[in-house]
Amino acid sequence: QVQLVQSGAEVKKPGSSVSVSCKSSGGTFITYAISWVRQAPGQGLEWMGGIVPVFETANYAQKFQGRLTITADRSTSTAYLELSGLTSEDTAVYYCARDRPRSIAADGHFSGSFFDFWGQGTLVTVSS
Amino acid sequence: EIVLTQSPGTLSSSPGERVTLSCRASQSVVNNNLAWYQQKPGQAPRFLIYGASSRATGIPDRFSGSGSGTDFTLTISRLEPEDFAVYYCQQYGSSPGTFGQGTKVEIK
Repeated sequence: QVQLVQSGAEVKKPGSSVSVSCKSSGGTFITYAISWVRQAPGQGLEWMGGIVPVFETANYAQKFQGRLTITADRSTSTAYLELSGLTSEDTAVYYCARDRPRSIAADGHFSGSFFDFWGQGTLVTVSS
Repeated sequence: EIVLTQSPGTLSSSPGERVTLSCRASQSVVNNNLAWYQQKPGQAPRFLIYGASSRATGIPDRFSGSGSGTDFTLTISRLEPEDFAVYYCQQYGSSPGTFGQGTKVEIK
């Protein structure tokens, strides 16, 4: 059974950066994608970006281009999200989820799919 | 990007009843690549349906999905106490994948 275990809650100041990790076990880490989805308090779900660990190229939603970095460490089966330039609007629960790509280009860009396994979520609070 | 509109926003129902949730897309969903998720307070979403109508592993058969093009439906044939939750649809036929705003199924 695939398990995704995320790092713990974070409290950050406006303008700073946050890093969240997602460790995978029980499955084949490198052949799927790991996507990040966030949920602001009382709100819906928003895809942020993702990566196929066998490649080094991540896909990003246009909204987060320039301040989001997604990486993966194949040796530890861990994916990472780093979000910079934090504002109060970034206060949310951040989830990693396994994404089964519909297609993967030679450079690692992929067409995402549904999310069959999810991490437990990491609350990031941005407050002065 | 494709906008998904779910209705109703909140649905009040009783255990044992049949409920139908709607998800309408702003344009046709390629290959009916639509999924449904269930989320309970303080928990991560749970994967229910993919390809508009295929149940994920371990999902009870009281959950069924249908629809094509721009109109999709999730039906719960007989509500169980554990089914009261928020349900989200997601399209993954076009990039970026997008979610609906959710339908809350609450106890009447």
